[in-house]
Amino acid sequence: GAVVSQHPSWVICKSGTSVKIECRSLDFQATTMFWYRQFPKQSLMLMATSNEGSKATYEQGVEKDKFLINHASLTLSTLTVTSAHPEDSSFYICSARGVVAERNLQETQYFGPGTRLLVL
Amino acid sequence: GQNIDQPTEMTATEGAIVQINCTYQTSGFNGLFWYQQHAGEAPTFLSYNVLDGLEEKGRFSSFLSRSKGYSYLLLKELQMKDSASYLCAVMDSNYQLIWGAGTKLIIKP
Repeated sequence: GAVVSQHPSWVICKSGTSVKIECRSLDFQATTMFWYRQFPKQSLMLMATSNEGSKATYEQGVEKDKFLINHASLTLSTLTVTSAHPEDSSFYICSARGVVAERNLQETQYFGPGTRLLVL
Repeated sequence: GQNIDQPTEMTATEGAIVQINCTYQTSGFNGLFWYQQHAGEAPTFLSYNVLDGLEEKGRFSSFLSRSKGYSYLLLKELQMKDSASYLCAVMDSNYQLIWGAGTKLIIKP
């Protein structure tokens, strides 16, 4: 079964509103969580990396004041898209790195199912 | 700079075998991952190689040669559901994943 969950899976909102996406690691503690964005027919693009209890590290070109990341615990990270605009419409995917003993004893990166955001 | 190369698209026949190659140049190496991504969905983990050699997992196998900066994903007994993009990613010295652009695999009956 899934080891990383994301909520919601779909969001449609009006321009100017803020949207919060939750990412949870299920049954394992994630040492690090990652947020990616994927535009149609393009590769995943890393937006930011976060460790529990510390500030996220943003990739070049990603506005930290627009994409707020809160990594409150070892199993939960949230991404808030503030004042969303149509160009923010994309597929947002979180990923958590940790050890899921039942699957693999090596630290592995597992992906959430993604959240599709459409800003009107 | 860091670079991951894999073919853009491949076509294979149902029941056959296909090999998807990946070459990389990265600052440091902490393992190579293969992911499968169906259209409109998030990637799912397929394999992880950190030592040289072949790792077999059912119909899928992954090979790594660190000295050559080379990996391949081998898919046997292809099924129509294997039609997807296959992403090669290398974890660099900072434990960040460097992604290839993905190989779109088309399976024909």
